[in-house]
Amino acid sequence: GAGVSQSPSNKVTEKGKDVELRCDPISGHTALYWYRQSLGQGLEFLIYFQGNSAPDKSGLPSDRFSAERTGGSVSTLTIQRTQQEDSAVYLCASSRGMVETQYFGPGTRLLVL
Amino acid sequence: AQSVTQPDIHITVSEGASLELRCNYSYGATPYLFWYVQSPGQGLQLLLKYFSGDTLVQGIKGFEAEFKRSQSSFNLRKPSVHWSDAAEYFCAVVGNQGGKLIFGQGTELSVKP
Repeated sequence: GAGVSQSPSNKVTEKGKDVELRCDPISGHTALYWYRQSLGQGLEFLIYFQGNSAPDKSGLPSDRFSAERTGGSVSTLTIQRTQQEDSAVYLCASSRGMVETQYFGPGTRLLVL
Repeated sequence: AQSVTQPDIHITVSEGASLELRCNYSYGATPYLFWYVQSPGQGLQLLLKYFSGDTLVQGIKGFEAEFKRSQSSFNLRKPSVHWSDAAEYFCAVVGNQGGKLIFGQGTELSVKP
């Protein structure tokens, strides 16, 4: 079956611009996670959705970061007023439920110039 | 707080040699543990997981891992490494909030012919 997909695969933007990253989870997976992978910080949790609600946003690094999920499916991670330190690979994962195996997408590589 | 430590940042082994990648975790209750592999430019692929039961778990690509509660370890092993195993390996534990994964810093594996 289809896995987790993310778009775009690569994004180059200028400092100060807003960007939107999209994640399509595996069909039927109720839990969706966003992670960030950067050279200095490794793999960090950002936010978790169960259905359309986000019970855990503790990993969002600043109020410039937000995410939503609609229809219990697609999720969008938005970064406003991007900074160079936002450059990283943003990974999305989905699972059947909480504390189930998470399946990862290929990631979006974001470069802020 | 939960944490995962992978003491070896980089390991080089000869093709055909055995491999052991170390992982130590800090977690109060029974942990749910994972090993993921990431090839260059790719997302994370699940190798194996431990939830409960038999402490020796088998995974894909000939990998296995052993959960040792007394040592707070979940080391990954393979009896004979292939050149295609060159990648970065991440150990992770499920956090106690919402199922988010807490990752180690990763171990990069190089395989020499």
